[in-house]
Amino acid sequence: GAVVSQHPSRVICKSGTSVKIECRSLDFQATTMFWYRQFPKKSLMLMATSNEGSKATYEQGVEKDKFLINHASLTLSTLTVTSAHPEDSSFYICSATAEADTQYFGPGTRLTVL
Amino acid sequence: GQQLNQSPQSMFIQEGEDVSMNCTSSSIFNTWLWYKQDPGEGPVLLIALYKAGELTSNGRLTAQFGITRKDSFLNISASIPSDVGIYFCAGAYSGAGSYQLTFGKGTKLSVIP
Repeated sequence: GAVVSQHPSRVICKSGTSVKIECRSLDFQATTMFWYRQFPKKSLMLMATSNEGSKATYEQGVEKDKFLINHASLTLSTLTVTSAHPEDSSFYICSATAEADTQYFGPGTRLTVL
Repeated sequence: GQQLNQSPQSMFIQEGEDVSMNCTSSSIFNTWLWYKQDPGEGPVLLIALYKAGELTSNGRLTAQFGITRKDSFLNISASIPSDVGIYFCAGAYSGAGSYQLTFGKGTKLSVIP
């Protein structure tokens, strides 16, 4: 149980375009989802906490207007990278809490901005 | 903020050997989690620990929640080539309406056949 999916798994886009990444909890409801960014050979960096039906809480240094998060239902959160630039290229991972502080992660999305 | 010290940073072992890695913190956690991440994939939960002193096994993996709530270790017995990957510890703390998950920097495991 506790499966989290992400779509797409890979995306390549041109500089200046926007990209939407979906995160779904497949077999459980998640009132809270999390979005992470991971640089090569580094640990995960929390970007924001997404709460169903309310605004996301962003970590310090993360631009909320650039990384738009929507958590419209108990099983879906989306991250939209707006006006993407090459420095936004990264591995983005979402997670969801199924029970008692335990986070389950999606498979990640590799974003490459040309 | 809370910080986790995970060690070792990397290790090379012979297939069949046992492996041990640990995490320590300056703060207490309610929950300790151990994940494994393969290249290009998201972290996969291996073991979750919810009580101080708890010792939990998952196949060849064994992890313990330190009695002080500030540390945890993960042991892998009789390693095999597919154990290769990066292992992350994570400590979770929730209280007073807040929740925080802090990751260690990872232990990169290489298994020599």
